[in-house]
Amino acid sequence: GAGVSQSPSNKVTEKGKDVELRCDPISGHTALYWYRQRLGQGLEFLIYFQGNSAPDKSGLPSDRFSAERTGGSVSTLTIQRTQQEDSAVYLCASSFTGTSGETQYFGPGTRLLVL
Amino acid sequence: QKEVEQNSGPLSVPEGAIASLNCTYSDRVSQSFFWYRQYSGKSPELIMSIYSNGDKEDGRFTAQLNKASQYVSLLIRDSQPSDSATYLCAVNFLVSGGYQKVTFGTGTKLQVIP
Repeated sequence: GAGVSQSPSNKVTEKGKDVELRCDPISGHTALYWYRQRLGQGLEFLIYFQGNSAPDKSGLPSDRFSAERTGGSVSTLTIQRTQQEDSAVYLCASSFTGTSGETQYFGPGTRLLVL
Repeated sequence: QKEVEQNSGPLSVPEGAIASLNCTYSDRVSQSFFWYRQYSGKSPELIMSIYSNGDKEDGRFTAQLNKASQYVSLLIRDSQPSDSATYLCAVNFLVSGGYQKVTFGTGTKLQVIP
């Protein structure tokens, strides 16, 4: 079956521009996570959607970052007025909640470069 | 204190040896534990999950869980150069609303020397 997909796979933008990154989770997965990973660094949690609950936005680094999840499926991460330090790979993961908890599956990521 | 802690490494082992990767987690309600492998430039991929105390074996991989000590480990037997990657430990913690939220460690870089 189809896995998690993300688009675009690569994005080059100029400082100050807005960007939108898209994530299509695995069908039926109720939870969706966004992470940022800078070169050579670990996963940095950004935001977590679970079902119809209010999202956990505790990882968003500034108010330039926002995310939506429409209809409990597709999610969009928006970065406004991009800065060079926003350059990173943005990873989306979706998960189902089984009897023993959640199992996450990652998309291929969007590589963002801010010039 | 971080919720999930790993030694960043690098951990270097000779080909054919056993690689031992360790992870500790904070004193919170947790139900399930995972090991992911991440090759350079790629996304993390799930390799093992474990839910109860003890050992779980899958091929050359063995996950070990000790909830009393808040410790989970991954053993890789007969290490191969293709095992060289960063290994991420992940823990499901119970959060408000009865949901579970996955938290990752920063990963341990493993280098298998031919």
